[in-house]
Amino acid sequence: NAGVTQTPKFQVLKTGQSMTLQCAQDMNHEYMSWYRQDPGMGLRLIHYSVGAGITDQGEVPNGYNVSRSTTEDFPLRLLSAAPSQTSVYFCASSWVASGVNTGELFFGEGSRLTVL
Amino acid sequence: KQEVTQIPAALSVPEGENLVLNCSFTDSAIYNLQWFRQDPGKGLTSLLLIQSSQREQTSGRLNASLDKSSGRSTLYIAASQPGDSATYLCAVRTGNTGKLIFGQGTTLQVKP
Repeated sequence: NAGVTQTPKFQVLKTGQSMTLQCAQDMNHEYMSWYRQDPGMGLRLIHYSVGAGITDQGEVPNGYNVSRSTTEDFPLRLLSAAPSQTSVYFCASSWVASGVNTGELFFGEGSRLTVL
Repeated sequence: KQEVTQIPAALSVPEGENLVLNCSFTDSAIYNLQWFRQDPGKGLTSLLLIQSSQREQTSGRLNASLDKSSGRSTLYIAASQPGDSATYLCAVRTGNTGKLIFGQGTTLQVKP
């Protein structure tokens, strides 16, 4: 019963490096999203997707790219890491809310990123 | 723009007390509202989800209510225990595919 799986759990980068945070879910959810959580700022939406091939920007998309080639996977790419991207990143997924699908959101355990 | 506020930011109570956590939102046009629990260094665990057509949901010692017209939700925790110590977050969903807008959370400490 894996749910939402994020890798890696911890990562340290140098300024300017690139990397990809992986997110996979095994619940056949159409909706997937990435949040970052920072002290005093709460959880803020970076990007989201309502199905394979469909992505859209959230509240703080700059510096991040996403793609959705399969229902299961929704990777988040940092193109050129900056210290301001030091944060805890959460992936979350749900069914698109309609009918009996309540749209309850399920979160992964998080990926803690430090950019030096 | 939808904004979600949680008051108080922190709360400390002795074990056994019944307590209420508050969540308010500025736009009543929500699809649903979800309460989460977050333990330090961990992800968010869903506690209760209330659809916009519902007034309350219950799970064990937890009861969440929703008043859309006044833009308020409360999470009631009965007979609090030290294991309830965590940060509690509420979030509103703006549409069936819309994003969740989170409050800042209430950090609860239940003292033995």
